[in-house]
Amino acid sequence: NAGVTQTPKFQVLKTGQSMTLQCAQDMNHEYMSWYRQDPGMGLRLIHYSVGAGITDQGEVPNGYNVSRSTTEDFPLRLLSAAPSQTSVYFCASSPGLAGVSLWSFGPGTRLTVL
Amino acid sequence: TQLLEQSPQFLSIQEGENLTVYCNSSSVFSSLQWYRQEPGEGPVLLVTVVTGGEVKKLKRLTFQFGDARKDSSLHITAAQPGDTGLYLCAASSGTYKYIFGTGTRLKVLA
Repeated sequence: NAGVTQTPKFQVLKTGQSMTLQCAQDMNHEYMSWYRQDPGMGLRLIHYSVGAGITDQGEVPNGYNVSRSTTEDFPLRLLSAAPSQTSVYFCASSPGLAGVSLWSFGPGTRLTVL
Repeated sequence: TQLLEQSPQFLSIQEGENLTVYCNSSSVFSSLQWYRQEPGEGPVLLVTVVTGGEVKKLKRLTFQFGDARKDSSLHITAAQPGDTGLYLCAASSGTYKYIFGTGTRLKVLA
Protein backbone atom coordinates (compact mmCIF):
# COMPACT_ATOMS: atom_id res chain seq x y z
CA ASN A 1 0.00 0.00 0.00
CA ALA A 2 1.20 3.51 -0.82
CA GLY A 3 -0.79 4.93 2.12
CA VAL A 4 -1.68 8.62 1.79
CA THR A 5 -0.11 10.38 -1.18
CA GLN A 6 -0.06 14.12 -1.86
CA THR A 7 0.90 16.06 -4.96
CA PRO A 8 2.62 18.32 -5.62
CA LYS A 9 5.32 18.29 -2.95
CA PHE A 10 6.17 21.96 -3.53
CA GLN A 11 4.24 24.77 -5.23
CA VAL A 12 4.72 28.50 -5.72
CA LEU A 13 1.71 30.61 -6.68
CA LYS A 14 1.10 34.26 -7.33
CA THR A 15 -1.62 36.09 -5.44
CA GLY A 16 -4.99 35.48 -7.07
CA GLN A 17 -4.10 32.22 -8.79
CA SER A 18 -6.11 29.10 -8.13
CA MET A 19 -4.91 25.55 -7.78
CA THR A 20 -5.84 22.11 -6.46
CA LEU A 21 -3.81 20.09 -3.98
CA GLN A 22 -4.30 16.41 -4.61
CA CYS A 23 -4.70 13.75 -1.92
CA ALA A 24 -5.31 10.05 -2.41
CA GLN A 25 -5.36 7.03 -0.12
CA ASP A 26 -5.43 3.33 -0.99
CA MET A 27 -6.46 1.97 2.43
CA ASN A 28 -10.23 2.23 1.86
CA HIS A 29 -10.47 4.70 4.77
CA GLU A 30 -13.82 6.42 5.32
CA TYR A 31 -12.53 9.57 7.01
CA MET A 32 -10.24 12.13 5.40
CA SER A 33 -9.06 15.56 6.55
CA TRP A 34 -6.99 18.50 5.42
CA TYR A 35 -4.77 20.41 7.85
CA ARG A 36 -2.40 23.32 7.48
CA GLN A 37 0.70 23.70 9.61
CA ASP A 38 2.21 27.06 10.35
CA PRO A 39 5.19 27.81 12.63
CA GLY A 40 4.12 27.98 16.28
CA MET A 41 0.50 27.12 15.51
CA GLY A 42 0.41 23.36 15.28
CA LEU A 43 -1.97 21.83 12.75
CA ARG A 44 -5.29 23.49 12.05
CA LEU A 45 -8.20 21.62 10.50
CA ILE A 46 -9.43 23.09 7.20
CA HIS A 47 -12.07 20.61 5.99
CA TYR A 48 -12.93 17.01 6.65
CA SER A 49 -15.02 14.22 5.16
CA VAL A 50 -16.66 11.19 6.76
CA GLY A 51 -17.39 9.45 3.49
CA ALA A 52 -17.87 9.91 -0.24
CA GLY A 53 -20.22 12.81 -0.88
CA ILE A 54 -20.01 14.14 2.71
CA THR A 55 -17.78 17.06 3.70
CA ASP A 56 -17.76 19.64 6.48
CA GLN A 57 -15.80 22.67 7.61
CA GLY A 58 -13.04 22.66 10.18
CA GLU A 59 -11.44 25.55 12.08
CA VAL A 60 -10.08 27.54 9.12
CA PRO A 61 -12.18 26.81 6.00
CA ASN A 62 -12.26 30.27 4.39
CA GLY A 63 -10.60 30.40 0.97
CA TYR A 64 -10.67 26.62 0.49
CA ASN A 65 -13.11 24.21 -1.12
CA VAL A 66 -13.23 20.41 -1.00
CA SER A 67 -15.23 17.63 -2.56
CA ARG A 68 -15.22 13.86 -2.08
CA SER A 69 -16.60 12.07 -5.10
CA THR A 70 -14.77 8.81 -4.35
CA THR A 71 -13.53 7.10 -1.18
CA GLU A 72 -9.93 7.36 -2.41
CA ASP A 73 -9.61 11.05 -3.35
CA PHE A 74 -10.02 14.26 -1.37
CA PRO A 75 -8.71 17.30 -3.32
CA LEU A 76 -8.33 20.73 -1.72
CA ARG A 77 -8.97 23.73 -3.94
CA LEU A 78 -7.60 27.20 -3.32
CA LEU A 79 -9.97 29.58 -5.06
CA SER A 80 -7.86 32.75 -5.15
CA ALA A 81 -4.52 32.32 -3.42
CA ALA A 82 -3.41 34.86 -0.81
CA PRO A 83 -0.04 35.23 0.96
CA SER A 84 -1.79 34.20 4.22
CA GLN A 85 -2.25 30.75 2.66
CA THR A 86 1.50 30.17 2.56
CA SER A 87 1.82 27.03 4.66
CA VAL A 88 2.49 23.30 4.68
CA TYR A 89 -0.67 21.33 3.91
CA PHE A 90 -1.24 17.82 5.18
CA CYS A 91 -3.90 15.37 4.15
CA ALA A 92 -4.84 12.53 6.50
CA SER A 93 -7.11 9.50 6.40
CA SER A 94 -8.58 7.16 9.01
CA PRO A 95 -10.71 4.05 9.09
CA GLY A 96 -14.25 4.74 10.25
CA LEU A 97 -14.05 3.29 13.75
CA ALA A 98 -16.61 3.80 16.48
CA GLY A 99 -15.51 6.56 18.82
CA VAL A 100 -11.97 7.23 17.62
CA SER A 101 -10.00 8.04 14.48
CA LEU A 102 -6.50 6.70 13.74
CA TRP A 103 -5.00 9.24 11.37
CA SER A 104 -2.40 8.40 8.76
CA PHE A 105 -0.82 11.51 7.31
CA GLY A 106 0.60 12.17 3.89
CA PRO A 107 4.05 13.74 3.38
CA GLY A 108 2.67 17.26 2.90
CA THR A 109 2.61 19.97 0.23
CA ARG A 110 4.68 23.08 0.88
CA LEU A 111 2.87 26.05 -0.67
CA THR A 112 4.26 29.56 -1.09
CA VAL A 113 2.03 32.39 -2.27
CA LEU A 114 3.87 35.48 -3.48
CA THR B 1 -13.19 27.31 20.70
CA GLN B 2 -11.33 24.31 22.06
CA LEU B 3 -7.63 24.84 22.66
CA LEU B 4 -4.82 22.44 23.42
CA GLU B 5 -1.77 23.96 25.06
CA GLN B 6 1.50 22.08 25.07
CA SER B 7 4.48 22.70 27.31
CA PRO B 8 7.31 23.20 27.11
CA GLN B 9 7.53 24.58 23.57
CA PHE B 10 11.18 23.61 23.25
CA LEU B 11 13.31 21.11 25.11
CA SER B 12 16.97 20.28 24.61
CA ILE B 13 18.40 17.50 26.76
CA GLN B 14 21.35 15.11 26.91
CA GLU B 15 21.07 11.48 25.90
CA GLY B 16 20.02 9.34 28.84
CA GLU B 17 17.96 12.02 30.63
CA ASN B 18 14.25 11.67 31.38
CA LEU B 19 11.64 14.20 30.32
CA THR B 20 7.92 14.92 30.48
CA VAL B 21 5.84 17.02 28.11
CA TYR B 22 2.32 18.17 28.82
CA CYS B 23 -0.89 18.75 26.89
CA ASN B 24 -3.59 20.78 28.67
CA SER B 25 -7.07 22.05 27.93
CA SER B 26 -10.12 23.38 29.74
CA SER B 27 -12.33 21.11 27.59
CA VAL B 28 -13.25 17.49 28.14
CA PHE B 29 -12.31 15.11 25.34
CA SER B 30 -13.46 11.64 24.38
CA SER B 31 -10.03 10.68 23.07
CA LEU B 32 -6.52 12.10 22.99
CA GLN B 33 -3.63 11.15 20.76
CA TRP B 34 0.11 11.76 20.61
CA TYR B 35 2.05 12.09 17.35
CA ARG B 36 5.72 12.53 16.49
CA GLN B 37 6.72 14.51 13.43
CA GLU B 38 10.16 14.65 11.83
CA PRO B 39 11.30 17.45 9.50
CA GLY B 40 9.77 17.26 6.03
CA GLU B 41 7.33 14.50 6.97
CA GLY B 42 3.79 14.14 8.19
CA PRO B 43 2.96 13.34 11.83
CA VAL B 44 3.00 9.67 12.86
CA LEU B 45 0.50 8.40 15.41
CA LEU B 46 2.11 7.04 18.59
CA VAL B 47 -0.83 6.31 20.87
CA THR B 48 -4.53 6.90 21.50
CA VAL B 49 -6.02 7.12 25.01
CA VAL B 50 -9.75 7.17 25.65
CA THR B 51 -10.35 6.47 29.36
CA GLY B 52 -9.74 8.97 32.17
CA GLY B 53 -6.64 7.90 34.13
CA GLU B 54 -5.50 5.55 31.38
CA VAL B 55 -1.77 4.85 31.14
CA LYS B 56 -0.16 3.34 28.05
CA LYS B 57 3.45 2.37 27.52
CA LEU B 58 5.32 2.17 24.25
CA LYS B 59 8.87 1.00 24.97
CA ARG B 60 10.49 3.99 26.78
CA LEU B 61 7.45 6.25 26.27
CA THR B 62 4.67 6.44 28.87
CA PHE B 63 1.42 8.24 28.07
CA GLN B 64 -1.21 9.23 30.62
CA PHE B 65 -4.70 10.65 30.14
CA GLY B 66 -5.89 12.85 33.01
CA ASP B 67 -8.69 11.59 35.24
CA ALA B 68 -11.01 14.36 34.01
CA ARG B 69 -10.01 13.74 30.36
CA LYS B 70 -8.81 17.34 29.95
CA ASP B 71 -5.06 16.80 29.90
CA SER B 72 -2.32 14.33 29.12
CA SER B 73 1.38 13.79 29.62
CA LEU B 74 4.11 12.03 27.71
CA HIS B 75 7.12 10.80 29.67
CA ILE B 76 10.28 9.56 27.95
CA THR B 77 12.77 7.53 29.95
CA ALA B 78 16.46 7.56 29.01
CA ALA B 79 16.00 9.71 25.93
CA GLN B 80 17.96 8.85 22.81
CA PRO B 81 18.90 10.98 19.78
CA GLY B 82 16.31 9.03 17.77
CA ASP B 83 13.59 10.57 19.98
CA THR B 84 14.34 13.99 18.49
CA GLY B 85 11.31 15.49 16.80
CA LEU B 86 8.15 17.53 17.18
CA TYR B 87 5.64 15.95 19.58
CA LEU B 88 2.02 16.87 18.98
CA CYS B 89 -1.06 16.07 20.99
CA ALA B 90 -4.47 15.94 19.33
CA ALA B 91 -7.91 15.52 20.85
CA SER B 92 -11.52 15.13 19.91
CA SER B 93 -14.83 15.41 21.72
CA GLY B 94 -16.40 13.26 19.00
CA THR B 95 -14.99 10.75 16.57
CA TYR B 96 -13.36 12.43 13.59
CA LYS B 97 -12.90 16.17 14.21
CA TYR B 98 -9.51 16.42 15.91
CA ILE B 99 -7.75 19.58 17.04
CA PHE B 100 -3.98 19.71 17.52
CA GLY B 101 -1.76 21.37 20.07
CA THR B 102 1.08 23.67 19.05
CA GLY B 103 3.71 21.02 19.74
CA THR B 104 6.86 20.43 21.79
CA ARG B 105 10.08 20.44 19.84
CA LEU B 106 12.50 17.98 21.44
CA LYS B 107 16.20 17.72 20.72
CA VAL B 108 18.24 14.96 22.30
CA LEU B 109 21.98 15.52 22.18
CA ALA B 110 24.39 12.58 21.93
